[in-house]
Amino acid sequence: DAGVTQSPTHLIKTRGQHVTLRCSPISGHKSVSWYQQVLGQGPQFIFQYYEKEERGRGNFPDRFSARQFPNYSSELNVNALLLGDSALYLCASSSRTGLGTQYFGPGTRLLVL
Amino acid sequence: GEDVEQSLFLSVREGDSSVINCTYTDSSSTYLYWYKQEPGAGLQLLTYIFSNMDMKQDQRLTVLLNKKDKHLSLRIADTQTGDSAIYFCAESMEAGTASKLTFGTGTRLQVTL
Repeated sequence: DAGVTQSPTHLIKTRGQHVTLRCSPISGHKSVSWYQQVLGQGPQFIFQYYEKEERGRGNFPDRFSARQFPNYSSELNVNALLLGDSALYLCASSSRTGLGTQYFGPGTRLLVL
Repeated sequence: GEDVEQSLFLSVREGDSSVINCTYTDSSSTYLYWYKQEPGAGLQLLTYIFSNMDMKQDQRLTVLLNKKDKHLSLRIADTQTGDSAIYFCAESMEAGTASKLTFGTGTRLQVTL
């Protein structure tokens, strides 16, 4: 079975641009979470979606938004990019919301110049 | 409060046991996880323990939980060079109707010959 997939794998943007990152969960999983991992740190929670609804949001500005589609895939959008948004963006899927174990994809590495 | 702490670096010789330690602060955490991250990759789930357990063993991995001291450890028996990676502990907490993982800063395990 395929695991969590993310695209693109790498991305270079300039300050002020916007970016869209994509994630497909494990087949049968209905919950997708997004995390930001800055170099040298642990991942930080951004969003969790379940059944196409936002169920949780971390301490990130409104420039960050996401959505989940009927097939449970998800997009993370970041507007007005800052240098500090350079990071590895990780998507995780779980079979349910609440205390479901989260399985991570390979991530998208974003570099903002 | 939400704070997970880990030591930054551990070096062991191949064949020895590795013990990676973690402390957390939120007593309401229900599940505690260990993830492995190799260079440039996403997070691989290694094992997890439910908060009402003291110990869990899974092949070469042993997880010990001291809930009174909020201390979690991961022991890797017969450590191999392929175990070289960054190891993250994470606590799972309810955040409204969602669950989020709060990660430590990671422990870099270096296995020497």
